[in-house]
Amino acid sequence: DTAVSQTPKYLVTQMGNDKSIKCEQNLGHDTMYWYKQDSKKFLKIMFSYNNKELIINETVPNRFSPKSPDKAHLNLHINSLELGDSAVYFCASSTGLAGVGETQYFGPGTRLLVL
Amino acid sequence: GENVEQHPSTLSVQEGDSAVIKCTYSDSASNYFPWYKQELGKRPQLIIDIRSNVGEKKDQRIAVTLNKTAKHFSLHITETQPEDSAVYFCATSRFGGTSYGKLTFGQGTILTVHP
Repeated sequence: DTAVSQTPKYLVTQMGNDKSIKCEQNLGHDTMYWYKQDSKKFLKIMFSYNNKELIINETVPNRFSPKSPDKAHLNLHINSLELGDSAVYFCASSTGLAGVGETQYFGPGTRLLVL
Repeated sequence: GENVEQHPSTLSVQEGDSAVIKCTYSDSASNYFPWYKQELGKRPQLIIDIRSNVGEKKDQRIAVTLNKTAKHFSLHITETQPEDSAVYFCATSRFGGTSYGKLTFGQGTILTVHP
């Protein structure tokens, strides 16, 4: 009965490869997010979708492309991976939009290492 | 955009002591202030939050205070226990505009509670 799940948990790949991370939530939430946590533990939002519509797109290289097939899923595809993409990527979801105080529930994270 | 400064970056206390972590923010329109706890290798989890119409909120050993005029808010943990050891993140969000639904995180505080 995992609330927010991500696959894979670990991802080790070579520079230049293309990879995808998948996220699913079974909480019935309308909004999903992708965050990046770097080696210094700093958490920064990348994207947010509300009912499959992109609502937040931070300054992220266009090698990163989110896709939301339905409101329970938000996937992240990364093209031409670079060393600097190594990080932990967290998916999160909330009932609505966080500005009204909606708790965001985080997935377990995907640890990406680019060699 | 919003900027959130969190201090201290590391905090070491003896079991039973109190711990205080402070965050300052720049966007006066921010109206939601959650605190997340992240244990080593785990996901961030909400421990307490406060909205801008409230000055203080308490939940057992944890409390958060908000000073909107000074644009700062603090996390207070009393009677600390070794299991409180983790990284703590403050965050802000605001209703409306292009920041809608976006959490901006502080840099994190590594709290260590010594038995």
